[in-house]
Amino acid sequence: GAVVSQHPSRVICKSGTSVKIECRSLDFQATTMFWYRQFPKQSLMLMATSNEGSKATYEQGVEKDKFLINHASLTLSTLTVTSAHPEDSSFYICSAREAATGSNEKLFFGSGTQLSVL
Amino acid sequence: TQLLEQSPQFLSIQEGENLTVYCNSSSVFSSLQWYRQEPGEGPVLLVTVVTGGEVKKLKRLTFQFGDARKDSSLHITAAQPGDTGLYLCAACYQAGTALIFGKGTTLSVSS
Repeated sequence: GAVVSQHPSRVICKSGTSVKIECRSLDFQATTMFWYRQFPKQSLMLMATSNEGSKATYEQGVEKDKFLINHASLTLSTLTVTSAHPEDSSFYICSAREAATGSNEKLFFGSGTQLSVL
Repeated sequence: TQLLEQSPQFLSIQEGENLTVYCNSSSVFSSLQWYRQEPGEGPVLLVTVVTGGEVKKLKRLTFQFGDARKDSSLHITAAQPGDTGLYLCAACYQAGTALIFGKGTTLSVSS
């Protein structure tokens, strides 16, 4: 089955540093990738929709200058948390939709990245 | 903004009991999915329902999609400790758009 690889799985950084999270579709092309954020014991909150070759669309309340998203190819999207602060500590999850289907029935999730900002 | 209401938020039961989790929206879904998530991992898809009135079974799990495509339920029969986890419903309101998740149900099954 289709696989989405997300790296790193866990990162600890100092306040003020930037962290990049990668999301790769390993055996399919993904024109659209989604980035979610999840706090402990809570659900996934959509942060942004990333379309290959164009600017990401951010959800209300998500700072685009804080969470930089790049989707430069059909198999890779990156989320960079800039100048991270402790309140940015969270579980970040990406998902990718297979280009061939255009349907959400073919939406695959990465394994998530636990970010801890000290 | 579409909202997906999921209940209950927490459920703690004994092994062998049955349970039902509900997912409701004021808007019609294009499709609805149920996921299960373990701590520190991404959600794992259990089922996708797209047709109003649809019922799908996955071993001891029964998923129903309301006729009006605004609600869904997950019923677990004879729960086991291995069923413990976070269950999430997620809906797509328009084909091709992002999945919107419910708040999740944290299920704990004790032996």
